[in-house]
Amino acid sequence: DTEVTQTPKHLVMGMTNKKSLKCEQHMGHRAMYWYKQKAKKPPELMFVYSYEKLSINESVPSRFSPECPNSSLLNLHLHALQPEDSALYLCASSQMGVREQFFGPGTRLTVL
Amino acid sequence: QQQVKQSPQSLIVQKGGISIINCAYENTAFDYFPWYQQFPGKGPALLIAIRPDVSEKKEGRFTISFNKSAKQFSLHIMDSQPGDSATYFCAASIMNYGGSQGNLIFGKGTKLSVKP
Repeated sequence: DTEVTQTPKHLVMGMTNKKSLKCEQHMGHRAMYWYKQKAKKPPELMFVYSYEKLSINESVPSRFSPECPNSSLLNLHLHALQPEDSALYLCASSQMGVREQFFGPGTRLTVL
Repeated sequence: QQQVKQSPQSLIVQKGGISIINCAYENTAFDYFPWYQQFPGKGPALLIAIRPDVSEKKEGRFTISFNKSAKQFSLHIMDSQPGDSATYFCAASIMNYGGSQGNLIFGKGTKLSVKP
C-alpha cells in the first residue's frame, strides 16, 4: 500500500459544529503532516508529528486540534471554525530521515 | 529568508514544446529541492527532487537544473503534453526543522496549460 487516504473527501460544517478529518497511511512512515491549502495558493504547513508526538505547530489557532492515535492514523479535530477556514486540508507522510513527502487527496472543507 | 520565489505564475505552451519554471531561494540552509505536480481537486504529487551537490537531475521528460551559487533552480518539461497541464510547485526543505523532521516551504505555484 503506497498511498495516503483521507476521509471525508468533502465536508460542510457550521461555525458551531465539531467535526474531524481522518488520514491514514500503511507505508510505515513515522512522520505525518497536516497542511492547509487555499484556492490558487501553495500548501501551508500546520502540524508535524514525529513518532506519534507533535513536533511542530505552526502557530495554528486552537480551534484546530491534531491527534495521532497510532503510527498509521492522523486526525484533525475541528471546532468553532470560521468561514475563512474553508480550504483543502492535506495530509502527508514520510519516512523519518527521508525527505520525500507523500500527500493524500485532501478534504475539501467548507465552513458556513 | 524562508521564502521560495517561483515564476512565472502561469505558462501556456504548445504541445511538443519545452516548459520552463524557475525558482529562487535565499536561505542557504535549504538542502532539498522537490517539485510537486497538482491536478485540480487532487493532492500534490512528488515529481522530481534534487540536492545542492548535484547540478542537474533528469527523470524521463522532466529535468531539474540547479545553480547553487545563484540560489536558483528550475524545472524543464521536454515534449510537453496536454496531460502535463497542472499546477507545479517548487519547494525547499531543511532537515531537522524545529528539531524534528524536515518541512517543505512551497513556491506560489505555476499553472501550466499545454495546448494541443
